[in-house]
Formats: sequence, structure tokens, C-alpha cells
Amino acid sequence: SQTIHQWPATLVQPVGSPLSLECTVEGTSNPNLYWYRQAAGRGLQLLFYSVGIGQISSEVPQNLSASRPQDRQFILSSKKLLLSDSGFYLCAWTGANYGYTFGSGTRLTVV
Amino acid sequence: AQSVAQPEDQVNVAEGNPLTVKCTYSVSGNPYLFWYVQYPNRGLQFLLKYITGDNLVKGSYGFEAEFNKSQTSFHLKKPSALVSDSALYFCAVPGSQGNLIFGKGTKLSVKP
Repeated sequence: SQTIHQWPATLVQPVGSPLSLECTVEGTSNPNLYWYRQAAGRGLQLLFYSVGIGQISSEVPQNLSASRPQDRQFILSSKKLLLSDSGFYLCAWTGANYGYTFGSGTRLTVV
Repeated sequence: AQSVAQPEDQVNVAEGNPLTVKCTYSVSGNPYLFWYVQYPNRGLQFLLKYITGDNLVKGSYGFEAEFNKSQTSFHLKKPSALVSDSALYFCAVPGSQGNLIFGKGTKLSVKP
């Protein structure tokens, strides 16, 4: 069966520090992968999506970047965090018929 | 552009009463419609989806949703609410990149 792993679960980082969040998928190949951010426990904002290794599309210009070094690995990064980067980050992948599976999320607090 | 709207920020119901969480959509072509639930500090979990067929779709945890084409609505329902149903509920439609476009979410609070 397909599973998605996302870590860490929580993270507290100072302003200006780097960031690396990792997401891996098991049990499928060549998935479409997505990073979402949820601010204030509400709506989800699509940040990046990837349809294959090295293929990254950004939906919103910002302080973040994404990479897909392997077929089932998706990484969200920042060189210098801002206070406004705080939020709940969710990784997801899609199967057939838009079947979406989400990771358990990372709560990032920038202090 | 594809979009969904959830007009209520919060819905409060008493345990045992029926619940409805509202969603309206705006899509081109035949709509695919989804409901997801999110418990605190967790990822979203799939509840149900409408692709085609019966207008009444049954999903997980006793939830169902009614597709109404004339009213462009896809309201989530449950005949008898449980305290454990308290969570954040999202309606969604597919975007142009294989992603899902989510509504802003509706917080459901079920009181004993």
C-alpha cells in the first residue's frame, strides 16, 4: 500500500536560519507531489508541485524553494527563514482520479 | 477558473443532531468534487468524492454529500453528529496542475 512520510512533525527555527523539510512516498512510482502551507489553521495554499524528478513548478513567489532529487522524495527548503514562513506545511501526492494522500504535516514556528 | 466556496467559518451542532457543512462550486465542464477532514495538527483525510453517477455520495465515518447541479452545491451531511466529528472540513475541486483547490475550511464543533 502507498504511504507518505513527512518530517519533522514540529520545528522551531530562528529568523534567518535555513530550512529543510522532507517528504517521501512509498508504494508508488512517478507520483505527482505537492507542498501546501496552511496558515492559522485554515485555508491551504499550494506552494510547489512536481510531476517528475527535477521538475518543480512554483505557484507563489516567496522565500521558499523545492527540489525533487529522487522519484519519491520531495524537499522544501529556505536559505533564510522569515517570521511569515511560520505555518503548517503539508506534503501530498496524487494517484488516479485525483486521489490525494496527505502527510501528517510539519508545524514550523519561526521565532 | 475552478473554485469552491464554503460560506460558513464555523458550524455548531449538538451531539445526535443532523449536521450540514455547505459547499458551492464553480467549474467548467463536469465537476469532480471532494470533501476532506482535518483533525488538529494532522494532515487532511479523504472523506468522499463525486465523479459521476448518483447525486448522493456516501463516504467515511457515516458522512454523505449531495451533489446538486442546479444549485452548484455539494453539501456534506451526517444524520447524527458525534463529538468526535469536531474538526475542520474542506471542500475541493481539481485545479489545472493535477492539484486540488480547497475552500477556506469550515470548523465543525459538536457539543455533548
